[in-house]
Amino acid sequence: EPEVTQTPSHQVTQMGQEVILRCVPISNHLYFYWYRQILGQKVEFLVSFYNNEISEKSEIFDDQFSVERPDGSNFTLKIRSTKLEDSAMYFCASSEGTAYNEQFFGPGTRLTVL
Amino acid sequence: AQSVTQLGSHVSVSEGALVLLRCNYSSSVPPYLFWYVQYPNQGLQLLLKYTSAATLVKGINGFEAEFKKSETSFHLTKPSAHMSDAAEYFCAVTGRSSASKIIFGSGTRLSIRP
Repeated sequence: EPEVTQTPSHQVTQMGQEVILRCVPISNHLYFYWYRQILGQKVEFLVSFYNNEISEKSEIFDDQFSVERPDGSNFTLKIRSTKLEDSAMYFCASSEGTAYNEQFFGPGTRLTVL
Repeated sequence: AQSVTQLGSHVSVSEGALVLLRCNYSSSVPPYLFWYVQYPNQGLQLLLKYTSAATLVKGINGFEAEFKKSETSFHLTKPSAHMSDAAEYFCAVTGRSSASKIIFGSGTRLSIRP
């Protein structure tokens, strides 16, 4: 069964460093998303992406964040200068864009900023 | 605007007892509603979804949920709890456009007593 994959599973970085989180969405999906979950809190929407453009972004998704689909398979989230409060689990999701918009989630990348 | 409220951050039931996890939604448009489960240190798994076909929705692992428009509720139930049901459960809502973000509730941690 097709699934969304994410790498790495765990990333540790120093404050101020750039990180890139990678996702491979399901191959025939057209819509891509990033969500994050700070430890012990709810899952929050960051950004949605379609046709090589950002469709919507939350107020969390400030200038330090960017997304890219560099080739036909990968979907990346870049944080330019990490802060302590960026420590969280980051989930990638993709969907076909069908009427009920079922999104399939990856296993997540745990980002720890020291 | 859309939102979901989960009543009770922690629910504890005995093995074999009824599980009831409460969720109320707010939406200015007919919503799509979901329940996701998250096991410790894992990603999000879709339990079931409401897409307006039937108000009583059956999901995996014996869970079901009933959409009640008059009560703006989408409570999750399971007749008989199993130890393996111990996890975090998230109610979520999304709109009907193709790129709609998913808005998650704050989650309910389900514990099962032997």
